[in-house]
Formats: sequence, structure tokens, C-alpha cells
Amino acid sequence: DARVTQTPRDKVTEMGQEVTMRCQPILGHNTVFWYRQTMMQGLELLAYFRNRAPLDDSGMPKDRFSAEMPDATLATLKIQPSEPRDSAVYFCASGGTGGHEQFFGPGTRLTVL
Amino acid sequence: GENVEQHPSTLSVQEGDSAVIKCTYSDSASNYFPWYKQELGKRPQLIIDIRSNVGEKKDQRIAVTLNKTAKHFSLHITETQPEDSAVYFCAATPPPSNTGKLIFGQGTTLQVKP
Repeated sequence: DARVTQTPRDKVTEMGQEVTMRCQPILGHNTVFWYRQTMMQGLELLAYFRNRAPLDDSGMPKDRFSAEMPDATLATLKIQPSEPRDSAVYFCASGGTGGHEQFFGPGTRLTVL
Repeated sequence: GENVEQHPSTLSVQEGDSAVIKCTYSDSASNYFPWYKQELGKRPQLIIDIRSNVGEKKDQRIAVTLNKTAKHFSLHITETQPEDSAVYFCAATPPPSNTGKLIFGQGTTLQVKP
């Protein structure tokens, strides 16, 4: 049963620290999405990639967030420096060519103190 | 850009009753409309979807209807069960549709009381 995986599952850090979240998409999927979920904002699209190239990162605060795909099996989302307002659950999702269905990972729960 | 509005934000029904959640979208060129279910502490999972060339789709106790003219689509759950309790998200794919990008509604928390 192929699934998207994310690490870490939980992260507690102090304001100002760097945070890196990792995602392994389903093998063969060529589109990767990063979402942030909060009670107030629901599911916000931060960035997404097709064939490892960034297609859109307009949902991401550029000054502190960055997203990359070093290779087809790894996507990363980095926050530097982190702030308390970044506290949320960050989901990664992947999708295949020609299909619209997105398969979500278990999420990383980030708490910035 | 595309904007998706979802109502109601919370819905409480008695087991066995039906539940209906409605979404409206702004971009008439959007052509794919999925519904995701998210149980507490879990990941969102696709439960049903519909494309713009279809008016209705059913899968056992769940169905989705689409009104392209009015730019709204709805999720219908019949004979609700306690395990249907979750947050439900609608979404729309704005053009260009080949990106797979989804814009989500704000979610509806459904509670099914036994």
C-alpha cells in the first residue's frame, strides 16, 4: 500500500530556530504539494512541484519559507527563522501524471514557542 | 484566482439522517471537484470527485452533484453513521487544469449522533 511519508511527525522548537520538514512522495508520482493547516485558515496551498520543478510558490512567505525537491523521492520545506505564527500542521501530498487525485501524507505538527 | 466557499462550517445530524454540504466556486473554468474526508488527527482522504462534464456521481451512501451554471456543488451523505463524523473539505481545480492544483473550502465538521 503505497503512501506518502513525512518526517518528523511532531516538532517543537523555539522562535528563531530553523525547521526542516521532509516528504517522500509515492513512487512514480511527479507532482508534490505542500499545505499548511490551521483552525483559522483551513488547508492553504504553500507551494507545488511538477517533475521536481517549482510551479507555484505564491502561497509561501518568501522571506522565511523555502521549498525544494533535491530528487524525485524527497521534497523539503524549510522555515528560517521560525515564528510562533508558523505553528500548524504541514501536509505534503503527491499526485500522478494526468490524474487529479492528491494523496496526503500524515502531516508534521509544528509548534513554535 | 479561484475562491471556494463551503457551508455550513458545522453540521450535526442524528444517525440515519442525511447530511448535505454545499460549496460554491468563483472560476467558471474550473473543471474538477473532489471531496476529502479528514478524521481527527488523520490525513485528508479523497472520498468522491466529479468532473465538469458530469452532473451527478454516486458511490454507495455518498453522492456529489454539480451545477455548473450556478457554480456550486454539493456532497450528500445518506443513512449517516457515527463513523461518518469527520471534517469534510470540498475543492476545485482552477485552470490550467493540468497542474493538479486544488483550492480547498474551509471545511465542514460533521457530527453524527448515535
